[in-house]
Amino acid sequence: EAQVTQNPRYLITVTGKKLTVTCSQNMNHEYMSWYRQDPGLGLRQIYYSMNVEVTDKGDVPEGYKVSRKEKRNFPLILESPSPNQTSLYFCASSLSSGSGSPLHFGNGTRLTVT
Amino acid sequence: KQEVTQIPAALSVPEGENLVLNCSFTDSAIYNLQWFRQDPGKGLTSLLLIQSSQREQTSGRLNASLDKSSGRSTLYIAASQPGDSATYLCAGWGSARQLTFGSGTQLTVLP
Repeated sequence: EAQVTQNPRYLITVTGKKLTVTCSQNMNHEYMSWYRQDPGLGLRQIYYSMNVEVTDKGDVPEGYKVSRKEKRNFPLILESPSPNQTSLYFCASSLSSGSGSPLHFGNGTRLTVT
Repeated sequence: KQEVTQIPAALSVPEGENLVLNCSFTDSAIYNLQWFRQDPGKGLTSLLLIQSSQREQTSGRLNASLDKSSGRSTLYIAASQPGDSATYLCAGWGSARQLTFGSGTQLTVLP
């Protein structure tokens, strides 16, 4: 089944403890992206990747890192999480950006930083 | 920078009504526009994708239109059902190769 898989679904952590949220897609998509969703602010893009080894900042990249060593995986890394990073995070992928292919989303990771 | 606005923020209709959700965007150099559905606590499901060269797309009871000159898109839902209750988001691919989302319209269809 074609899908975008995020893990974990729920994560509670403390300030400053490094964490990684994994994202994997099995559709051979070139484009992958991370978003955070907050009440009243909607979905905002954190980072995106046009292809392997090509990443770029979205609208809210501060405090986050990403890597794209393989086409299928695009992990989101929080080196030193802070409470303002408590949010619902989504990974998404599409065949290529801006093209006629739709964006597919994972089921989300709800992160709480205390 | 692309900005996307959705009006209304919330809408409640009785079952069976036809309804229209609105989406406006500022960057007319849009590559395509996509409509999504989000159920509470869930991810986004793609409903329709309209490429910049198209004017509309249809899928079942859903019809989405795109008017680049006016910076507007609409999602038309025919014969609404309680199962259509969800938040509907539009998003546009702009010239910066980034996808910008609207804040969504929360739809409630009353039985």
